[in-house]
Amino acid sequence: QVQLVESGGGVVQPGRSLRLSCAASGFTFSSYAIHWVRQAPGKGLEWVAVLSYDGSYKYYADSVRGRFTISRDNSKNTLYLQMNSLRAEDTAVYYCARVYSGYDSGSPIDHWGQGTLVSVSS
Amino acid sequence: SYVLTQPPSVSVAPGKTASITCGGNNIGIKSVHWHQQKPGQAPVLVIYYDSDRPSGIPERFSGSKSANTATLTISRVEAGDEADYYCQVWDGSSDAGVFGGGTKLTVL
Repeated sequence: QVQLVESGGGVVQPGRSLRLSCAASGFTFSSYAIHWVRQAPGKGLEWVAVLSYDGSYKYYADSVRGRFTISRDNSKNTLYLQMNSLRAEDTAVYYCARVYSGYDSGSPIDHWGQGTLVSVSS
Repeated sequence: SYVLTQPPSVSVAPGKTASITCGGNNIGIKSVHWHQQKPGQAPVLVIYYDSDRPSGIPERFSGSKSANTATLTISRVEAGDEADYYCQVWDGSSDAGVFGGGTKLTVL
């Protein structure tokens, strides 16, 4: 079955960096676009970024563009999110999520990971 | 940027029908998807492409859409349906994912 397992979260000081990973299994990873979506404590879902199945195009939310970088290693079935210049408002649970129609980044999210918590605090 | 508007909360008695709306400019031309999130859990897709239901989702869950509003309808509501519900679209004009603010469904 489809599994997405996030890791790399933790407590980090403002201005520092962190890299999240999302390990995928149970499907052909290289055929699917993958999103990062975050949820601040007690708040709603916020879309962060998406990367196409082959890494050829990527899109970001305005709130993270220029600070976060999404990437993937299809040989390792792993998605990454490099987060630089972190701010308190980046504190959230970060989910990776697969799309329904692999080659279409705009297709619905049909599988979610369990999330990893990032806390930005001094 | 594109905005989706949901009511913060909806309450319904067990066995009744709950309707959760999602408003957006010209949402009628976009594909709308709905996710259910129970406390402490990851979201789960319950409706996609406006009205399709993933396998394993009860037939009690249905979706519809008009020109400016999408609606998630839950018939014969059960206590286990109590959760937050989020609508989602892809905004092709800005190449960005968009979620509504979420609606907390309370089963009385």
